[in-house]
Formats: sequence, C-alpha cells, structure tokens
Amino acid sequence: LAKTTQPISMDSYEGQEVNITCSHNNIATNDYITWYQQFPSQGPRFIIQGYKTKVTNEVASLFIPADRKSSTLSLPRVSLSDTAVYYCLAYGGATNKLIFGTGTLLAVQP
Amino acid sequence: DVKVTQSSRYLVKRTGEKVFLECVQDMDHENMFWYRQDPGLGLRLIYFSYDVKMKEKGDIPEGYSVSREKKERFSLILESASTNQTSMYLCASRTGTYNEQFFGPGTRLTVL
Repeated sequence: LAKTTQPISMDSYEGQEVNITCSHNNIATNDYITWYQQFPSQGPRFIIQGYKTKVTNEVASLFIPADRKSSTLSLPRVSLSDTAVYYCLAYGGATNKLIFGTGTLLAVQP
Repeated sequence: DVKVTQSSRYLVKRTGEKVFLECVQDMDHENMFWYRQDPGLGLRLIYFSYDVKMKEKGDIPEGYSVSREKKERFSLILESASTNQTSMYLCASRTGTYNEQFFGPGTRLTVL
C-alpha cells in the first residue's frame, strides 16, 4: 500500500490560491490518488480523484506528474470556510483499504 | 444524496461494558468501513466489509468485532470497552473500489 506524505499544516489568506503537495513514492500502477476534506466534528468528504495529468472539478484541481510519485491539490481563491484538514490517499488495485495519514491542516485567515 | 447515518453522535460507557455502534447507508453500497480517529493519528481502519456477511480486518482490529447481516447496516462491537477505546468512530460506505467513500457524522465515544 502506498504511503503518502504531506505537510502537517499550511496557512493562507482569503482569495489566495493554495497548493498542497503530497508525495507517494511507492504508488502502484493501478492506484488512484484521492483527496478528502474534513471539517471539525464531521466525517471526511471526497474532493477529487485522479490517475494522471490534471483533473478539475467545481471545487479543486489535481495535478499529477508523469512519474506519479507526487500530486498537488490546488484550491483556487480560498475562503475562511476552506479551513479544514485535507487528506491525500493513494489506493486501489488489489485492496479495498484506504489509508488515511494525518492530513494537512489548512488555516485560512481574513 | 447518499446518506450514511450513525446511531449516536455522543456516547458514554463504562469500562467493561459491551458497546454497539450502528451504521446505516441508504445507497445500496457493497463496501462499508469503520474507522477511528484520534488526535495526531489521523483515521485508522478498524474493519471493513465488501459484502453481506463478509468482513476483513483493517489495521487496528484488536478489541473490536463487526457484523453485517444486511447490506445497508454495518455494526461495530466493542466486546468489553476499555478507556483506550475512547475515540471518534467514523463509518463510511462506497459502491466500488475506485469510487469515493461517503462518511457518516461520527460517534464520539467516551469510556470511563
């Protein structure tokens, strides 16, 4: 199972673009990269998932380079309500398990 | 909207009690999961089930058991609660390996 590494915390200001990078050096060929968001006292919520190159939805973009050893979650123009913990996961293939790390606490200030 | 519900938001039990945490999903998902979340440790998988009556151990199954008699319901059982099982417990479900997991609101269990 691919282990992921991401910064423990990040600070930003409202209106800025935030990029959170995750490394997954031993990602398997058939693993997908997935990001979840969690607010205090709530369960995690799916944000975005990708396999390679770039994926964009109404919330975020996910950039995955050709070697797939890292990925970057990009949140455009963050607001105070984006303050949350963001988890990067690599999973799929032969396992049903999702391995959550400790995540990145993003603090958005006014 | 997919809905995953958990039987209680807050629960207080005494050491040695048998504790049942119930999780119900309404989207006919095959896979269901139980996690616990502790400060500094992130989410850790306790058990998961990929079909009715099927179960597999996660990373920290000791002290827990599970039951999945119906597709929509996945129960986590603490046979004899201990103080180190005080935690936030999160249930999730999904329809297939590559699909997103939908989480419930969590149950904060305190064992005294």
